[in-house]
Amino acid sequence: QQQVKQSPQSLIVQKGGISIINCAYENTAFDYFPWYQQFPGKGPALLIAIRPDVSEKKEGRFTISFNKSAKQFSLHIMDSQPGDSATYFCAASKTNTGGFKTIFGAGTRLFVKA
Amino acid sequence: GAGVSQSPRYKVAKRGQDVALRCDPISGHVSLFWYQQALGQGPEFLTYFQNEAQLDKSGLPSDRFFAERPEGSVSTLKIQRTQQEDSAVYLCASAIFGADTQYFGPGTRLTVL
Repeated sequence: QQQVKQSPQSLIVQKGGISIINCAYENTAFDYFPWYQQFPGKGPALLIAIRPDVSEKKEGRFTISFNKSAKQFSLHIMDSQPGDSATYFCAASKTNTGGFKTIFGAGTRLFVKA
Repeated sequence: GAGVSQSPRYKVAKRGQDVALRCDPISGHVSLFWYQQALGQGPEFLTYFQNEAQLDKSGLPSDRFFAERPEGSVSTLKIQRTQQEDSAVYLCASAIFGADTQYFGPGTRLTVL
């Protein structure tokens, strides 16, 4: 019930292409779904996040699509650039009951070819 | 400092030694999290503090792991009698309150020989 399943494990995209990473969760009590970006030797950094009351959120080249009934959400990176090459993690949290435990997916290593 | 800092950045310990890892969160942040990240994996939740109170320690893998935040700012994660399976990057994150936007430190890479 606590798992967050992320796919694919790795992804290679041409410069200018669209990168798509998918996640699925089980616990319907989760109410906050962030995506984090991590470069080697650094800690994860928040990229974009969504709450289940909206189906899509866009910030620049990054879009989250959220399907509450399917318990799935995805990250779309438009016009992918070599600088986007990093590991991306989806996550899920309960923020309304004081628990605040955050469950992360296993990560997707994205490589954008120049 | 502007961000979360952790020290040491790298720690090598012999099996059976005790280690202490330090986290300096962003000033004023109420929430503090510790995570363990194995190579090629996502961060795994260890424990959560709200000010000095440890509200959730359900992710600590054994009673060899202990965390504290006595004055509600700096936190220390202590691992007693280290084992090889404890080798990982230990990440600290802080947030203004709750789990919404967590700011991560660079991590401490622990290697147990």
